[in-house]
Amino acid sequence: DQQVKQNSPSLSVQEGRISILNCDYTNSMFDYFLWYKKYPAEGPTFLISISSIKDKNEDGRFTVFLNKSAKHLSLHIVPSQPGDSAVYFCAASASDMRFGAGTRLTVKP
Amino acid sequence: GAGVSQTPSNKVTEKGKYVELRCDPISGHTALYWYRQSLGQGPEFLIYFQGTGAADDSGLPNDRFFAVRPEGSVSTLKIQRTERGDSAVYLCASSLSGGPGDTQYFGPGTRLTVL
Repeated sequence: DQQVKQNSPSLSVQEGRISILNCDYTNSMFDYFLWYKKYPAEGPTFLISISSIKDKNEDGRFTVFLNKSAKHLSLHIVPSQPGDSAVYFCAASASDMRFGAGTRLTVKP
Repeated sequence: GAGVSQTPSNKVTEKGKYVELRCDPISGHTALYWYRQSLGQGPEFLIYFQGTGAADDSGLPNDRFFAVRPEGSVSTLKIQRTERGDSAVYLCASSLSGGPGDTQYFGPGTRLTVL
């Protein structure tokens, strides 16, 4: 059962523009949501998280939005930089952590 | 500082063989997690240790898979009678306390190939 879904396998954005990565979940028991970034041959690296009691969390160029009624969260990166090119995983945590399949972001110079 | 390390980085074995994958967590982290990542998928939870004990092993796919953490630091994931479907990247992560929202820090993974 796929409780966390990232429906876009890839996204291409021009440098300087906004990147928006989306994630949907089905389990209303999730109480924490996280985004991880992964480069080839490396493990996922934590990027930003949000508690289910909040609807927005911002850290520099990265903002995560949570819409509990829609069971949807998104990651905004602005401005996007070529170094942001990686696979981004959405994850949701209750008793354990479930990951989406990932979205490959390519930021073109 | 030292992050999570995993050895070996690559392991090729034949169907039916036994393999051990090792994880060295960040020093002082009480929680340790094993995940499996197949091609085109996100990490899939296998097992979670709190200290020496397995707090949640609900993700282990069958009884060929077993993990230990005897002293509460290093962990070994053991796979018996490997099958071709076991081929994947096995990721280990650790976190300070394992509480809700506790950030998990991942190692680089071990790529297991079963021929």
